[in-house]
Parts: sequence; C-alpha cells; structure tokens
Amino acid sequence: AQSVTQPDIHITVSEGASLELRCNYSYGATPYLFWYVQSPGQGLQLLLKYFSGDTLVQGIKGFEAEFKRSQSSFNLRKPSVHWSDAAEYFCAVFYNNNDMRFGAGTRLTVKP
Amino acid sequence: KAGVTQTPRYLIKTRGQQVTLSCSPISGHRSVSWYQQTPGQGLQFLFEYFSETQRNKGNFPGRFSGRQFSNSRSEMNVSTLELGDSALYLCASSSPPGSVTDTQYFGPGTRLTVL
Repeated sequence: AQSVTQPDIHITVSEGASLELRCNYSYGATPYLFWYVQSPGQGLQLLLKYFSGDTLVQGIKGFEAEFKRSQSSFNLRKPSVHWSDAAEYFCAVFYNNNDMRFGAGTRLTVKP
Repeated sequence: KAGVTQTPRYLIKTRGQQVTLSCSPISGHRSVSWYQQTPGQGLQFLFEYFSETQRNKGNFPGRFSGRQFSNSRSEMNVSTLELGDSALYLCASSSPPGSVTDTQYFGPGTRLTVL
C-alpha cells in the first residue's frame, strides 16, 4: 500500500541549530516528492519539490531536501533554524496513479 | 496579484445537509486542487481540476464532488454530510502550465463544522 511516514511527531531544536526532518515513503517507482509548511499566520505553503534529476533540492526559506532512492527517503534539512521556522511540516508524495498522500506531519518547536 | 480566495471561511451545517465551497484561483492559474485536513486523518488529497476537467482524484466517497468553471473558479460539494466531514478544506491553484505537481499556492481554507 502507498504510504508516507514522518517518524517524528514533534521535534524541538534551539535557534541557530541545524534541523533534519525525516520522511519515508513506500513505492516501487520514483514518485513526485514535496515538503510543505503550515503555520497559523501563513497557512499551507510549498517549501520544495522533487521530480527528477539532482537529488538535492533547494527550496524557499533556506530549506533543502535530499532524495535517497535506496532508502525511499526525502529528508528536509536546514543548517540554521530561525524562531520563525516553528510550524508544522508535511511531507507528501504524488503517485503515478494520480493519487497524493501526505505524512502525518512533524511539529517543530524552536527554543530561544 | 490577489491570492487564492476561498468562501465562505467558516460554515456550520447539520448532518444530512449538503454544502458547497468555493475557490477562486490566482489569475492565470488553470489548475485547482482540493484537500481536506482533520486532526484524525491529517491532510488528504480530494481532487484536482484543470481546464474544467477532473484530472486527479483521491480516495474519497462519491459524496464529495467538484467542478471547475471556464474562469477557473472551482466549487466543491459534499452531500449528505456526516460528522466526520468536519474539517478544514483547502484549495490550491498551480502556476502555469498548471498541475498539482507544479508550484501550488494555497488559500486560507474553509472551516466546516458538522453538527
């Protein structure tokens, strides 16, 4: 069955520290991969996406994600977290059967 | 440029009723997709319309339907409402060429409460 897993429900990091949010998916072929961020003031926003080519994808707000086919993963990273990054982050996968699945989300708290 | 607008922003209905939600995409965008967000099920993809045709569809019962008009505005309809349909309904429009896989811009959502 097609599924998207975000193993971490909640992560707390200190401001200025690095961040990695994990995402794994189940699928034989390479799907389209996305990361979204949702915050109360900004609504839902697309951070970045991967379709093909370079497996390291750059997004907005200084985020990047790396697609690893062998691990069926698409982890989101940021080298230095800002207080404004506190939000809920969702990984999503668009499958070739035209369905789209979201992970359950990871809530990020940033400590001053 | 105006963003994606959704109306109404809040809605209260009772079980068995039907509801219609509206989404106006960013000018020039031809793709509109709909999502449901609930605390229990999280974010789920409902469907996507492009040039008045449903192009992609998630795993929802037939009570959930939609359409898109020639001006790209889209409506979503839920018939015979159930308590579990209480959710935040989000729509997104995609920049040209227009696909759910293109850069999406989301509206603020319609909060539907079913009593």
